[in-house]
Amino acid sequence: GDSVTQMEGPVTLSEEAFLTINCTYTATGYPSLFWYVQYPGEGLQLLLKATKADDKGSNKGFEATYRKETTSFHLEKGSVQVSDSAVYFCALDSGGSQGNLIFGKGTKLSVKP
Amino acid sequence: GAGVSQTPSNKVTEKGKYVELRCDPISGHTALYWYRQSLGQGPEFLIYFQGTGAADDSGLPNDRFFAVRPEGSVSTLKIQRTERGDSAVYLCASSKTSGRHNEQFFGPGTRLTVL
Repeated sequence: GDSVTQMEGPVTLSEEAFLTINCTYTATGYPSLFWYVQYPGEGLQLLLKATKADDKGSNKGFEATYRKETTSFHLEKGSVQVSDSAVYFCALDSGGSQGNLIFGKGTKLSVKP
Repeated sequence: GAGVSQTPSNKVTEKGKYVELRCDPISGHTALYWYRQSLGQGPEFLIYFQGTGAADDSGLPNDRFFAVRPEGSVSTLKIQRTERGDSAVYLCASSKTSGRHNEQFFGPGTRLTVL
């Protein structure tokens, strides 16, 4: 079945460092890909998405490109801030008409001043 | 506008008891999803509603779990004879329509602890 694998954390970076969180997927068909973020004490929020191959999703300085050839959707940010400390989840929609999401296990990011 | 709300935010119960968890989706959203998030894991799909009907309940772990959405808005997830392994955060999400590419908006979750 469809699945998502993302790099395990926790990831600890200094402010202004470059961030990459790896995400690869297995899917039949052509899923949409998502990154969700969960800030401390808050619910899951959509960070960005891409709906087809070679699409780039971007938001709040974060980017991810849908790579069909490598089945990847890595999250990147050029300069992280303390406020980016959160848990990041890569996800895909399962296909069909309903669109329920399949999530990775999450990667906890801590950014130190 | 108001987001997805879930009540209670925390629920502590004893093994064998019955619990109900409530979800209020965003007004006008026809699709509603329940997920379960265990510690250190990503959310896992439980059940999906399109309108009033449960269109896919394939994620429910067993027949102790049941969910309803009688008027196509509020949904209740019901768990009978709770077990310690049911302890998790239960998340509800809604989207304007079902299907791919539609953004799902998540509630804050209900943290269920079964003692």
